[in-house]
Amino acid sequence: QKEVEQDPGPLSVPEGAIVSLNCTYSNSAFQYFMWYRQYSRKGPELLMYTYSSGNKEDGRFTAQVDKSSKYISLFIRDSQPSDSATYLCAMSAQSNTGKLIFGQGTTLQVKP
Amino acid sequence: DTGVSQDPRHKITKRGQNVTFRCDPISEHNRLYWYRQTLGQGPEFLTYFQNEAQLEKSRLLSDRFSAERPKGSFSTLEIQRTEQGDSAMYLCASSLGPTEGPQHFGDGTRLSIL
Repeated sequence: QKEVEQDPGPLSVPEGAIVSLNCTYSNSAFQYFMWYRQYSRKGPELLMYTYSSGNKEDGRFTAQVDKSSKYISLFIRDSQPSDSATYLCAMSAQSNTGKLIFGQGTTLQVKP
Repeated sequence: DTGVSQDPRHKITKRGQNVTFRCDPISEHNRLYWYRQTLGQGPEFLTYFQNEAQLEKSRLLSDRFSAERPKGSFSTLEIQRTEQGDSAMYLCASSLGPTEGPQHFGDGTRLSIL
């Protein structure tokens, strides 16, 4: 079983919809949680970076971490066609000094 | 604003050949990481450096792989005697010191083995 599980999708939504992306993990030592966006043939681009449990909001993006359930989420409000990409969750047991463990990535398509 | 730079963007080579990739991290970033990503999967950690010191290596990094960061700035990743299974995207990331900031990625080098 993988340390980080993420549904690969694809997930298809109409423009303007609220998108919910999720990851579960098994290692209770994970403390740092990230969401990256990756367009085709490009590197991962950092969207959100959170420590421990709680919520963090940045524009249309909200990240939630529930360490008791070992579950993290990314919400995208008012989704746009330009949000169509693969979304990767990543986490680390140490501060960002250590290796990141990634989920498989969820492919999102936002239709105009 | 100069991000993480990787060269080349795409490398095509025959099986058995040696290849070398270069990564230039964000300036003043002390930490440099290498990951490998295959189609439909998330990146997998290979190794990382704190300045010029290589601090951790994954078991994915076989004896055919070697990474260096000689002056604590740019890094190279060499694969000797390439195999079909080495075909992947090789990603480089960098970050500030131990407690500051997440990892930022370059656009990777895509390796294709003929």
